[in-house]
Amino acid sequence: NAGVTQTPKFQVLKTGQSMTLQCAQDMNHEYMSWYRQDPGMGLRLIHYSVGAGITDQGEVPNGYNVSRSTTEDFPLRLLSAAPSQTSVYFCASSYDRSNYGYTFGSGTRLTVV
Amino acid sequence: GESVGLHLPTLSVQEGDNSIINCAYSNSASDYFIWYKQESGKGPQFIIDIRSNMDKRQGQRVTVLLNKTVKHLSLQIAATQPGDSAVYFCAENGNSGYALNFGKGTSLLVTP
Repeated sequence: NAGVTQTPKFQVLKTGQSMTLQCAQDMNHEYMSWYRQDPGMGLRLIHYSVGAGITDQGEVPNGYNVSRSTTEDFPLRLLSAAPSQTSVYFCASSYDRSNYGYTFGSGTRLTVV
Repeated sequence: GESVGLHLPTLSVQEGDNSIINCAYSNSASDYFIWYKQESGKGPQFIIDIRSNMDKRQGQRVTVLLNKTVKHLSLQIAATQPGDSAVYFCAENGNSGYALNFGKGTSLLVTP
């Protein structure tokens, strides 16, 4: 049981480049979400999904896209990277959006130069 | 808007002492609360949770106390060890089930 797997662990992008952060879970969780973590800002919700084919915006969605074609996978796409998107990104999954604890991945540290 | 806050941003304790990390929440509709531990360079790790129909729950060396009257949550760690050094977050679900709302964290430093 691998839990939540995120790839890559580290990434450096140039401004304007696009990329996809991968997230996969093997716990058959319906709820998945993406957070970014910045110093002094805590965890901020970017996008979330309550099941395959259903996604919605969180607190800070601008500049990011998501899709949920399967229960297992929830990739996060950066459309045109900006230095303000330098952060650590965490994917999390759960049985429910707000009534069970989240299982987090180990994170992707992204630097945009 | 509603928010989850922590009383102390940093806490330093000696090895073997008990630690208490506090969290205040403002949404009276919150009925599920969780504590997470985040070690440097890692993702948050679930420690313990509690639902609003309880005021105390114990795990291995950890106890969570919930006081709904004053909207206060605490995490007690018994016999704190160097491996307990980490940032601890509380989270709650008060914002209409939209998602869990995370606090900014308290850094716990255990000194020998």
